[in-house]
Amino acid sequence: SQTIHQWPATLVQPVGSPLSLECTVEGTSNPNLYWYRQAAGRGLQLLFYSVGIGQISSEVPQNLSASRPQDRQFILSSKKLLLSDSGFYLCAWSSEMEFGKLFFGSGTQLSVL
Amino acid sequence: GQNIDQPTEMTATEGAIVQINCTYQTSGFNGLFWYQQHAGEAPTFLSYNVLDGLEEKGRFSSFLSRSKGYSYLLLKELQMKDSASYLCAVRDSNYQLIWGAGTKLIIKP
Repeated sequence: SQTIHQWPATLVQPVGSPLSLECTVEGTSNPNLYWYRQAAGRGLQLLFYSVGIGQISSEVPQNLSASRPQDRQFILSSKKLLLSDSGFYLCAWSSEMEFGKLFFGSGTQLSVL
Repeated sequence: GQNIDQPTEMTATEGAIVQINCTYQTSGFNGLFWYQQHAGEAPTFLSYNVLDGLEEKGRFSSFLSRSKGYSYLLLKELQMKDSASYLCAVRDSNYQLIWGAGTKLIIKP
């Protein structure tokens, strides 16, 4: 069966520090991969999605970036965090044929202080 | 612009039935999804509708009317564990998901 791992679960970082969140998927090949952010009481905001290795689409211009170095690995990064980067970050995957039926990782609660 | 509307919060009683509505205006339509999200956790997939009508899955049912841009999620025999946020999402003509802000459902004993 397919599983998705995301870590860390909680992160507290000072303003201006770098960020690296990692997500891996097991049990499937060539998944579509997504990074979402959810502010408290708000809907899901798509940050990046990828349909293959090295293929990244950015939905929102900001100081975050994403990379997909391997088929089932998706990394969210920042060189310098802002206060506004605080939020709940979710990695998700879907099969090639089922865009929309997403399977989410457990999420990372990021607090930038 | 693209827009999905759902009530911010609803309250219901354990054992009762509740209907959560979702209306949408999107660039094209390629399916509507409902997700459940417990506080502090990730969303989990509940249902998918692409044709008009009712899809039933146990205690949960989802209805779609494409002509009205309308869907609802029906939860029967409510249990305390159903206390969660319910997210409506529409897949547009570019196969991108447009998300509603979610409806927080509070179940009272």
